[in-house]
Amino acid sequence: EVQLVESGGGLVQPGRSMKLSCAASGFTFNNYDMAWVCQAPKKGLEWVATISYDGSSTYYRDSVKGRFTISRDNAKSTLYLQMDSLRSEDTATYYCARHRYLRNYFDYWGQGVMVTVSS
Amino acid sequence: DIQMTQSPASLSASLGETVTIECRASEDIYNGLAWYQQKPGKSPQLLIYNANSLHTGVPSRFSGSGSGTQYSLKINSLQSEDVASYFCQQYYDYPTFGGGTKLELK
Repeated sequence: EVQLVESGGGLVQPGRSMKLSCAASGFTFNNYDMAWVCQAPKKGLEWVATISYDGSSTYYRDSVKGRFTISRDNAKSTLYLQMDSLRSEDTATYYCARHRYLRNYFDYWGQGVMVTVSS
Repeated sequence: DIQMTQSPASLSASLGETVTIECRASEDIYNGLAWYQQKPGKSPQLLIYNANSLHTGVPSRFSGSGSGTQYSLKINSLQSEDVASYFCQQYYDYPTFGGGTKLELK
């Protein structure tokens, strides 16, 4: 059974940093591109970033370029999102999601972790 | 970015009814469209991909159709467990989502 379990969320002040983790199991992690998708409270979904199966390529939405870094450790089957210079508008639930093989839609999602940026 | 416009924003329907949700892309997305269901307090779940292909385990009362810039999700014989929000997502370009449709029981 595919499982994605996020951790690392919480309350953080504007301008500070936070790192999210996503532990994957139930599939061959290093075969799949992975992504982070966020959802502001009572709002819709927004793709944040994607990393290729081997970590060689990364892609970001414009609003997080230069502030967020997606990475992975295939030996640990873990995905990360380093979030720097956080803003109030980054407040959201962040989901770890698996890309369908060679496609840009998401066939499995984690339960999500809440990040609140507030002073 | 490709913009996705979803309608209606909310919908109230009776058990057993057929429901249709629409999604319009700002440009041709060549059937690169997925639909997700999100129940309250839960993460999204994939329903449909490639505009009309049912994901594993999804009940056959769900179906997708469309082409070009216009797509739709149909739910036949609405069940109580279908109460949820539904989102479309294009993947012809960097992923973007529609604003969502909240489906409630009448």
